[in-house]
Amino acid sequence: AQSVAQPEDQVNVAEGNPLTVKCTYSVSGNPYLFWYVQYPNRGLQFLLKYITGDNLVKGSYGFEAEFNKSQTSFHLKKPSALVSDSALYFCAVRGLHSGNTPLVFGKGTRLSVIA
Amino acid sequence: DTEVTQTPKHLVMGMTNKKSLKCEQHMGHRAMYWYKQKAKKPPELMFVYSYEKLSINESVPSRFSPECPNSSLLNLHLHALQPEDSALYLCASSQDEREGFEQFFGPGTRLTVL
Repeated sequence: AQSVAQPEDQVNVAEGNPLTVKCTYSVSGNPYLFWYVQYPNRGLQFLLKYITGDNLVKGSYGFEAEFNKSQTSFHLKKPSALVSDSALYFCAVRGLHSGNTPLVFGKGTRLSVIA
Repeated sequence: DTEVTQTPKHLVMGMTNKKSLKCEQHMGHRAMYWYKQKAKKPPELMFVYSYEKLSINESVPSRFSPECPNSSLLNLHLHALQPEDSALYLCASSQDEREGFEQFFGPGTRLTVL
């Protein structure tokens, strides 16, 4: 079975400071990992994904994520947070050769960047 | 064109009404999805169409009926809904249903069932 854990319901960070949103996963086999962001009353917006290769993945709006196989983690990071980054962030996973098993989302982490 | 569009943006319906939600993409994607999302919760998958054929039905009640008229369009027909069906309904598409392709989401339809 596939699962994703986002241990923090809420992350607060001051503008200009680095931010981290945590994600750990469980799949059989190699994982495909995704981060999405959702602004109020909007659909989800794709930020980045890990498929294979370099463990550090760069995505949209200055976000990046580091794949750590031994810790089964895929934390989202940004060196300098903006107030406009305040939103709901979802980590999602699918296993390689998972067939008809759908994408599994974490429960979401609300990021609040304070000016 | 790199977006998924959904109509209407808002829909209020009574429990005896019949209505439809529409979704459209022109990215040449061959997989399309319907999700239901309650406030502050992750999206819950309802249906997946792959190459215009229903691929996954996540045990959704029959009052929700999906339809994929062609590779660009996806409909969700609603009939005899319950108040607990009130939610944000999201459509998404991806290049293929296979694991490594990211999904692109529409802005959603906010459905209220009275």
